[in-house]
Amino acid sequence: AQSVTQPDIHITVSEGASLELRCNYSYGATPYLFWYVQSPGQGLQLLLKYFSGDTLVQGIKGFEAEFKRSQSSFNLRKPSVHWSDAAEYFCAAHSGGSNYKLTFGKGTLLTVNP
Amino acid sequence: NAGVTQTPKFQVLKTGQSMTLQCAQDMNHNSMYWYRQDPGMGLRLIYYSASEGTTDKGEVPNGYNVSRLNKREFSLRLESAAPSQTSVYFCASSERDGNIQYFGAGTRLSVL
Repeated sequence: AQSVTQPDIHITVSEGASLELRCNYSYGATPYLFWYVQSPGQGLQLLLKYFSGDTLVQGIKGFEAEFKRSQSSFNLRKPSVHWSDAAEYFCAAHSGGSNYKLTFGKGTLLTVNP
Repeated sequence: NAGVTQTPKFQVLKTGQSMTLQCAQDMNHNSMYWYRQDPGMGLRLIYYSASEGTTDKGEVPNGYNVSRLNKREFSLRLESAAPSQTSVYFCASSERDGNIQYFGAGTRLSVL
């Protein structure tokens, strides 16, 4: 079955430290891949997406993600975390075509210490 | 530009009551979706509408019905609410299938 796994439920980093959030997918073919962020009490905002091409994609708010086919991974990174980055982050995948189902990971909650 | 608008933002129901969650988008998108979010579960698709006039079941459709009223509006109805339907509900839309989905701010529903 198609699935998206985020191995880390909760991550705590200090402000200014680097960040990497992990995401692995299980699909027959390379899916479309997304990272969304959800601030407390808010909806989901798209950070970045990967459809094809360059495996390093840049997003909003200084985030980037790297697609690695060999590892079935799409990890999200940020060189220096700000307190305002504290939120829940969701990786999602879509197989494209006529399949409308966007499959989400269970999310990683990011806490930023001052 | 409002994007995706959901009403109400909060709702408390008693078991057995019915209600309709409203969703409207102003981006001229063809596809619309309803998800529920539960702690530790991520988002799960309830129903979707690929285009005006069509609806299909998602991962967790039991206990829900939907109506694609027109291209802008997609409503979710709980006919007889149960405590298991306590959740946060999100509506989303996309230009077409496979495209980026844009989310509303959510409806927080408690069923007592």
